[in-house]
Amino acid sequence: AQSVAQPEDQVNVAEGNPLTVKCTYSVSGNPYLFWYVQYPNRGLQFLLKYITGDNLVKGSYGFEAEFNKSQTSFHLKKPSALVSDSALYFCAVRDIRGQLTFGSGTQLTVLP
Amino acid sequence: DSGVTQTPKHLITATGQRVTLRCSPRSGDLSVYWYQQSLDQGLQFLIQYYNGEERAKGNILERFSAQQFPDLHSELNLSSLELGDSALYFCASSVDDRDYQPQHFGDGTRLSIL
Repeated sequence: AQSVAQPEDQVNVAEGNPLTVKCTYSVSGNPYLFWYVQYPNRGLQFLLKYITGDNLVKGSYGFEAEFNKSQTSFHLKKPSALVSDSALYFCAVRDIRGQLTFGSGTQLTVLP
Repeated sequence: DSGVTQTPKHLITATGQRVTLRCSPRSGDLSVYWYQQSLDQGLQFLIQYYNGEERAKGNILERFSAQQFPDLHSELNLSSLELGDSALYFCASSVDDRDYQPQHFGDGTRLSIL
């Protein structure tokens, strides 16, 4: 069965600094990987996905993610964090049966 | 705005009752998914429908059922409610059932069981 791990419950970063939110996965076959963001009292918003091709995927709001097959990781990154980036971030993997498995989420706080 | 509409936003009811949650997918989306989000279980996939047919089943209890209607809206029925069913229930939709299509989420229905 597939699984996703987000090892950090909380990440704090100063505004203007680069940010990284970590994700590792386990899945049979080729992974379809996604990042979503959740703001308070809102649903999840799609940020980016990796299907195949370039290991560096660019997404919404200046976010990008790096796929590393050997380390089975898909870390979310942004070169310069904004206070408005503070939210709950979820990594997810989708298997061939169509089920999307989410990580436990990482609360990102960007400090002014 | 994701384009996915869920009603009601909040629902308060008692144990043993039955409720129906409604979801209207984005215009043109054929797939609908239901998820449950709780503090202890995280975000759990419940069930997927594609163009009216059940496509995938996750951790959905037998007390729960869902359907997708010809106009593509979907309903999640929860019966014999227990305290542990208190959670945020999300609906998501995607263009089709291909695995690489992103899902777009509604803002959820917060269910509180008293």
